[in-house]
Amino acid sequence: NAGVTQTPKFRVLKTGQSMTLLCAQDMNHEYMYWYRQDPGMGLRLIHYSVGEGTTAKGEVPDGYNVSRLKKQNFLLGLESAAPSQTSVYFCASSYSTHYNEQFFGPGTRLTVL
Amino acid sequence: AQTVTQSQPEMSVQEAETVTLSCTYDTSENNYYLFWYKQPPSRQMILVIRQEAYKQQNATENRFSVNFQKAAKSFSLKISDSQLGDTAMYFCAFMKHVTSGTYKYIFGTGTRLKVLA
Repeated sequence: NAGVTQTPKFRVLKTGQSMTLLCAQDMNHEYMYWYRQDPGMGLRLIHYSVGEGTTAKGEVPDGYNVSRLKKQNFLLGLESAAPSQTSVYFCASSYSTHYNEQFFGPGTRLTVL
Repeated sequence: AQTVTQSQPEMSVQEAETVTLSCTYDTSENNYYLFWYKQPPSRQMILVIRQEAYKQQNATENRFSVNFQKAAKSFSLKISDSQLGDTAMYFCAFMKHVTSGTYKYIFGTGTRLKVLA
């Protein structure tokens, strides 16, 4: 039981490049989330999903897209990376409704030059 | 707008002693949920404790307990018998249901706790 895993762990991009972050969970959770964590700030919700095939915007969705084609996977895409997207990205999942415990992945440190 | 404030950026406590981390929030809602999450140096965040606003009884999980003061909009975390493994960043978080299928999460900026041997 791996829990929540994220790929890759580190990445450096140049401005304008694109990339996809992969989040996978093996707990059969319905809900999945993407957050970003910046120095001196709390986690901010980017997008989330309440089930396979569904996605919704969080607090800071601009510049990101997501997809949930399979229940166990939640992908976060950056179509044209900007230095402002330099951050640590965390994926999380929960069994059903949001107020259940969220299980977090180890994070992906992304630097955009 | 809802906000979550953690006024203590850093704290330290001696092993075996008790420490309290403060959290205040601002909302006009009556029904919401509050959480404390712990982020150890390994970075993987884990839930410490949660409180539902409609419950007056303070939540407790082993050495961790909260002091939930709804009228004052305060949600502090008390760690008793502190252990070296408690060293971590602690985040207070607020969650409320907005519309059908939509939820709003707000995290505080965190308190870095160091437990001293």
